[in-house]
Amino acid sequence: SQTIHQWPATLVQPVGSPLSLECTVEGTSNPNLYWYRQAAGRGLQLLFYSVGIGQISSEVPQNLSASRPQDRQFILSSKKLLLSDSGFYLCAWSGTQGETQYFGPGTRLLVL
Amino acid sequence: GQQLNQSPQSMFIQEGEDVSMNCTSSSIFNTWLWYKQDPGEGPVLLIALYKAGELTSNGRLTAQFGITRKDSFLNISASIPSDVGIYFCAGQLTGTASKLTFGTGTRLQVTL
Repeated sequence: SQTIHQWPATLVQPVGSPLSLECTVEGTSNPNLYWYRQAAGRGLQLLFYSVGIGQISSEVPQNLSASRPQDRQFILSSKKLLLSDSGFYLCAWSGTQGETQYFGPGTRLLVL
Repeated sequence: GQQLNQSPQSMFIQEGEDVSMNCTSSSIFNTWLWYKQDPGEGPVLLIALYKAGELTSNGRLTAQFGITRKDSFLNISASIPSDVGIYFCAGQLTGTASKLTFGTGTRLQVTL
């Protein structure tokens, strides 16, 4: 069966520091991968999606970037964090037809 | 852009009661998905609907894909304490990377 992992689970970072969040999927090949951000008590906002290695589409202009160095690895990065980057970051995967998306456990990021 | 209106925003019900929530869209979707999110965790897929008019059940949960393809509802029968959480609807257009548009969520509280 397929599983999706996110690391770390929780992160506290100072403003201006770099960021790297990792998402890995097991049990499937060539998945579509997605990064979402969820503000406290709010819905999910799509940040990036990828249909293959090295292919990244950005949904909203922001302080973050994404990369997909391997088929089942998706990384969310920032060179300098802002206070507004705080939130709950969720990774998701779907099949190549994008029929349904399955979410990872999330990373809670607090920027101080 | 596409928007999903989800209602109600929150519900306080007694154990054993039935629950109904719905989503309406300004655009047509090809797929409707319903997720449940527990605090601090990623959303978990409950039900996926792929055809207009489709009525699908998953245990005590029943969801329907509206005929106009612009709405969907989720019913929970005989609620229990573990039903507590936030329920999100999501609409999807079929195609490469099929991005999801999420509703704002319905927070469900169940009292004994």
